[in-house]
Amino acid sequence: KAGVTQTPRYLIKTRGQQVTLSCSPISGHRSVSWYQQTPGQGLQFLFEYFSETQRNKGNFPGRFSGRQFSNSRSEMNVSTLELGDSALYLCASSLVSAKSTGELFFGEGSRLTVL
Amino acid sequence: DQQVKQNSPSLSVQEGRISILNCDYTNSMFDYFLWYKKYPAEGPTFLISISSIKDKNEDGRFTVFLNKSAKHLSLHIVPSQPGDSAVYFCAASPSGNTGKLIFGQGTTLQVKP
Repeated sequence: KAGVTQTPRYLIKTRGQQVTLSCSPISGHRSVSWYQQTPGQGLQFLFEYFSETQRNKGNFPGRFSGRQFSNSRSEMNVSTLELGDSALYLCASSLVSAKSTGELFFGEGSRLTVL
Repeated sequence: DQQVKQNSPSLSVQEGRISILNCDYTNSMFDYFLWYKKYPAEGPTFLISISSIKDKNEDGRFTVFLNKSAKHLSLHIVPSQPGDSAVYFCAASPSGNTGKLIFGQGTTLQVKP
């Protein structure tokens, strides 16, 4: 069973640019969540998509957005990049059901560097 | 407002001894608590979880204890092995039915041979 796949793994952008990151969840998983990991802030929840709808959102500015496609693949976009957006962006998928215990399956992440 | 806190940034133990990682939380409405392990350049991997209605869950060398009155949970690793050296994250779920977790800052565990 293939795991969560994120692309690209590494990218470098300059301030003001925008970036799109992609995530393919585990087959059968309909929930995709995005997290930002920085040395000072740990893992912070960005948003969650389920059946193409955003159903949870973290405390991030509107420059951070996402979407989910009918095949459950998801993308997140960051516009007008700032230096502070440099981070590891992690995607996680989960099999949401009445018996779920909150376990998420993470990808390896996309390392974004903003210069 | 940090709802999940891991107050020890690092921990060093000798191989074969017990590792105890601690986590405190503020929201009594959390449904599940989870521990994740993360190696450099990899995503976090799930270790063990516990429901808010239980006080202990065990899986091999890993045991998680939950003290609801103190809003405290801990992860015990016995015996510790050098391969356990990683960053450990405590996380809380407002509901087991979503992909939203609230993570602590992480504790870096080093197990010395």
